[in-house]
Amino acid sequence: EDKVVQSPLSLVVHEGDTVTLNCSYEVTNFRSLLWYKQEKKAPTFLFMLTSSGIEKKSGRLSSILDKKELFSILNITATQTGDSAVYLCAVDNAGNNRKLIWGLGTSLAVNP
Amino acid sequence: EAQVTQNPRYLITVTGKKLTVTCSQNMNHEYMSWYRQDPGLGLRQIYYSMNVEVTDKGDVPEGYKVSRKEKRNFPLILESPSPNQTSLYFCASSFTPGGVYEQYFGPGTRLTVT
Repeated sequence: EDKVVQSPLSLVVHEGDTVTLNCSYEVTNFRSLLWYKQEKKAPTFLFMLTSSGIEKKSGRLSSILDKKELFSILNITATQTGDSAVYLCAVDNAGNNRKLIWGLGTSLAVNP
Repeated sequence: EAQVTQNPRYLITVTGKKLTVTCSQNMNHEYMSWYRQDPGLGLRQIYYSMNVEVTDKGDVPEGYKVSRKEKRNFPLILESPSPNQTSLYFCASSFTPGGVYEQYFGPGTRLTVT
């Protein structure tokens, strides 16, 4: 069965800390992996990863994919309270009605 | 501004009273999808549409209907809502040049069925 597993489920850090969020997957026909950020509203797109070893970066956020070991990490450096959110990982499974397989998310709380 | 809109944003209704949640996108996306999000269960796909007049079931389609008569609109219909359909609903859309790619989400509709 196709699945996406995120860890940890929740995380509490202090401002300035660096965090690493994990996403592992098992899908039959991998096309891409996507990261989304969800605050108290709709998910917003962060990154799409299709190739192993190529880091995507946006400000303090970065992400990388390992297609051999079937996982991705999302790093956030120098965290701020505005980074508090649920971070969702999804895999585009091209062989299964082209839908996204979603993880349950990691809830990140950044305390001042 | 490129966006996905949903209406209503909040709805409290009673069991059995038919309702429709509208979804519209202005990006000329072919692919549209409805999700429900529940604590501990994550995002689950209800129905999706690859293009006009093409719809298919997702993971949890029971109790829901959809239609895609126009490219921009994808309404979600609950013919006879029940309390277990109380949830946060999201509409999403994307291009499909060979894949789903990045999905743009609407703001969500919080539905309570009493």
